[in-house]
Amino acid sequence: AQTVTQSQPEMSVQEAETVTLSCTYDTSESDYYLFWYKQPPSRQMILVIRQEAYKQQNATENRFSVNFQKAAKSFSLKISDSQLGDAAMYFCAYRGLYNFNKFYFGSGTKLNVKP
Amino acid sequence: DGGITQSPKYLFRKEGQNVTLSCEQNLNHDAMYWYRQDPGQGLRLIYYSQIVNDFQKGDIAEGYSVSREKKESFPLTVTSAQKNPTAFYLCASTLGGTQYFGPGTRLLVL
Repeated sequence: AQTVTQSQPEMSVQEAETVTLSCTYDTSESDYYLFWYKQPPSRQMILVIRQEAYKQQNATENRFSVNFQKAAKSFSLKISDSQLGDAAMYFCAYRGLYNFNKFYFGSGTKLNVKP
Repeated sequence: DGGITQSPKYLFRKEGQNVTLSCEQNLNHDAMYWYRQDPGQGLRLIYYSQIVNDFQKGDIAEGYSVSREKKESFPLTVTSAQKNPTAFYLCASTLGGTQYFGPGTRLLVL
């Protein structure tokens, strides 16, 4: 079964600085999707960014970008110019292309943003 | 507005009682999912449904039941067989390979 590992339970960043959250995954599939979700204190899960494994170019959404290293099975999230509203739990998730019924989530990283 | 709604926001269960959590979506998504989230932990899959009148067990289905009579609706019943139901429950639907989530229901045991 696929596993998703987030090795940083909690991180802190100063407002306006950059922080990188780590995620590794284990899979035998060659094609799949990777996601980062944000869960603020309201607990609503919000999609931050999505990456298709067949695309070599790293996905970017405004201040959020990923570093996708397929061979290393690594999928880190970089948040630039951190804002107080970025404080949340961040979850990395995996979905296979062919076994598309299930999504696999990491245990999450709590991001604190200091003013 | 299009989206996924869950109700109630908070739900209290008494010993031996069955309770039902509602999940509705007007996004015309085919697939719907139920997850359980315990404090400080990730999401665990309870049940999912790809089409109407069909659903599959996830990783922690024991003590839960679902139905999918309409495309828009996927209610979750927490039965008395679920001995530790206190958790946050998230409903999701999927389109184009991406999951979108409802606001969640917090279930507490009296």
